[in-house]
Amino acid sequence: GQNIDQPTEMTATEGAIVQINCTYQTSGFNGLFWYQQHAGEAPTFLSYNVLDGLEEKGRFSSFLSRSKGYSYLLLKELQMKDSASYLCGRGGNNRLAFGKGNQVVVIP
Amino acid sequence: EPEVTQTPSHQVTQMGQEVILRCVPISNHLYFYWYRQILGQKVEFLVSFYNNEISEKSEIFDDQFSVERPDGSNFTLKIRSTKLEDSAMYFCASSTTGGAGGTDTQYFGPGTRLTVL
Repeated sequence: GQNIDQPTEMTATEGAIVQINCTYQTSGFNGLFWYQQHAGEAPTFLSYNVLDGLEEKGRFSSFLSRSKGYSYLLLKELQMKDSASYLCGRGGNNRLAFGKGNQVVVIP
Repeated sequence: EPEVTQTPSHQVTQMGQEVILRCVPISNHLYFYWYRQILGQKVEFLVSFYNNEISEKSEIFDDQFSVERPDGSNFTLKIRSTKLEDSAMYFCASSTTGGAGGTDTQYFGPGTRLTVL
């Protein structure tokens, strides 16, 4: 399989930093994608890692360790609009295999 | 900024009926995909399509499903005889290339919510 594991829900205050973790099955791996999904809407691309290390894109950063089958998404300076589900998607075999997503609730 | 579009936004159908969901991928993209998301569950891959043929399909994509690119812009998903469990949000996505095993970023359309009664 292409098991993707993510914790389910977290609450954080505006301005805070949250880290969302993802573990995945390493066989056939070819890239790790992070998407944001607001309720009832489509997944929106946030970031992509194929090599080990940290990729920074404004308030969002994503880290990958291929040997550990592990990635995280770091959300800095949280805003209310960041309340959403964050999906970890493993690339390979011409498909994305998603985890169930991690729901982030931002409170004032 | 170019976007993937999908029609209709909502579709209600009776069990056993055929439905066709339509997508217009981003114009310079070559790889097309369908995913579905049952309410409260994860986004699941159905099928990928390149050069007018299926590249990969999941176990969900059985004989009741088919895809087609009938012209230069549309990409369709047909469900021949809908079942109650087909009720879900169906997302179309496209990417510039498939990359080496699918590493190119996929951009998703807004989805079609299918309700089977």
